[in-house]
Amino acid sequence: KNQVEQSPQSLIILEGKNCTLQCNYTVSPFSNLRWYKQDTGRGPVSLTIMTFSENTKSNGRYTATLDADTKQSSLHITASQLSDSASYICVVSAKNYGQNFVFGPGTRLSVLP
Amino acid sequence: NAGVTQTPKFQVLKTGQSMTLQCAQDMNHEYMSWYRQDPGMGLRLIHYSVGAGITDQGEVPNGYNVSRSTTEDFPLRLLSAAPSQTSVYFCASSLDISGANVLTFGAGSRLTVL
Repeated sequence: KNQVEQSPQSLIILEGKNCTLQCNYTVSPFSNLRWYKQDTGRGPVSLTIMTFSENTKSNGRYTATLDADTKQSSLHITASQLSDSASYICVVSAKNYGQNFVFGPGTRLSVLP
Repeated sequence: NAGVTQTPKFQVLKTGQSMTLQCAQDMNHEYMSWYRQDPGMGLRLIHYSVGAGITDQGEVPNGYNVSRSTTEDFPLRLLSAAPSQTSVYFCASSLDISGANVLTFGAGSRLTVL
């Protein structure tokens, strides 16, 4: 069964610190992996996308990595800001017709001053 | 360019009532979909459409109906609301179903069924 797991479930850090969120997946056949940021009360917004051949992708202070062999991805946030407080969702796309987007449960990040 | 627009943002229903959640996109996307988001779970696909006149079931379709009469609109109908349908509902669209393009989400509709 196609599945995406994320850890930790929640995380609290101080402003200015770095953090890393983890994503493990068992989606096949793999097409791409995205990280989305979801602010409270809003819809998810795409941060990064990586295909099978990419192992690092940056978007400002966000850096995503992908290890397609171990089926793991991470999202590293550098020099966190209060506005980084949100849920971060890992989404893996499969090459199947229909259920093409498999969502992880998300990691809830709280950045405190 | 508004993106994906959902209405209403909040709704309270009594068990057995019916209602329609509206979704509209102005990006000429072929693929539109409805998800529900429950605490501790990933977004789950309810129904999706790959173009006007074409719809199909997702992972959790029971209790919901959809139609796609135009490219822009994809309403979700709850026929007889149940407390288990209390959730946050998101409409999302993409250029196509391939998974190669980003999903654009609406702001969500929070539904409470008493």
